Amino acid sequence: AQSVTQLGSHVSVSEGALVLLRCNYSSSVPPYLFWYVQYPNQGLQLLLKYTTGATLVKGINGFEAEFKKSETSFHLTKPSAHMSDAAEYFCAVSGSNDYKLSFGAGTTVTVRA
Amino acid sequence: SAVISQKPSRDICQRGTSLTIQCQVDSQVTMMFWYRQQPGQSLTLIATANQGSEATYESGFVIDKFPISRPNLTFSTLTVSNMSPEDSSIYLCSVGRDSRDTQYFGPGTRLTVL
Repeated sequence: AQSVTQLGSHVSVSEGALVLLRCNYSSSVPPYLFWYVQYPNQGLQLLLKYTTGATLVKGINGFEAEFKKSETSFHLTKPSAHMSDAAEYFCAVSGSNDYKLSFGAGTTVTVRA
Repeated sequence: SAVISQKPSRDICQRGTSLTIQCQVDSQVTMMFWYRQQPGQSLTLIATANQGSEATYESGFVIDKFPISRPNLTFSTLTVSNMSPEDSSIYLCSVGRDSRDTQYFGPGTRLTVL
């Protein structure tokens, strides 16, 4: 079974500042890890994913995440926040042999001008 | 990635009625799923829509409440039956080419039950 914990339900950053969203997972098998973003009144959009190989994964809109097995973490970062990054972000995990996605509770990001 | 559409995009319904939500994909996909996102909460998997056979429901969800159809590899419907205000949620479909593929989500259907 897999589960996800997202630390911090709300994050507020200044425009141009670092965005750091924390995600820790639990998995009994090698995990597949995902970050999705949900803009207001829209569905979920895939930001990036880790399956195998390189542990630093680059996604869309300047986001990246690093898989750290020893820390069971998959934190999402962006060096410089933009106003358009205001949204809700979900971390999700599935087993490498199981398609079912388990989602974290989500983190709402607000960006201050 | 596939282009996924859902109908309706939103609806307001009366208690005790039923609503059928459609999910259409622009290419054939093996896997289709239905999720619920209750207000202010994360996503919960309702069921896997299986083409040509009964859907596979997750714990806490039953076919009588959420009947699902999947007549082909590009289309599925979810019905929310005998609705109550607690069914007010966003309902999203997602698709994947196979069981190990990334899931891509539709835009969601925002349901309000009065």
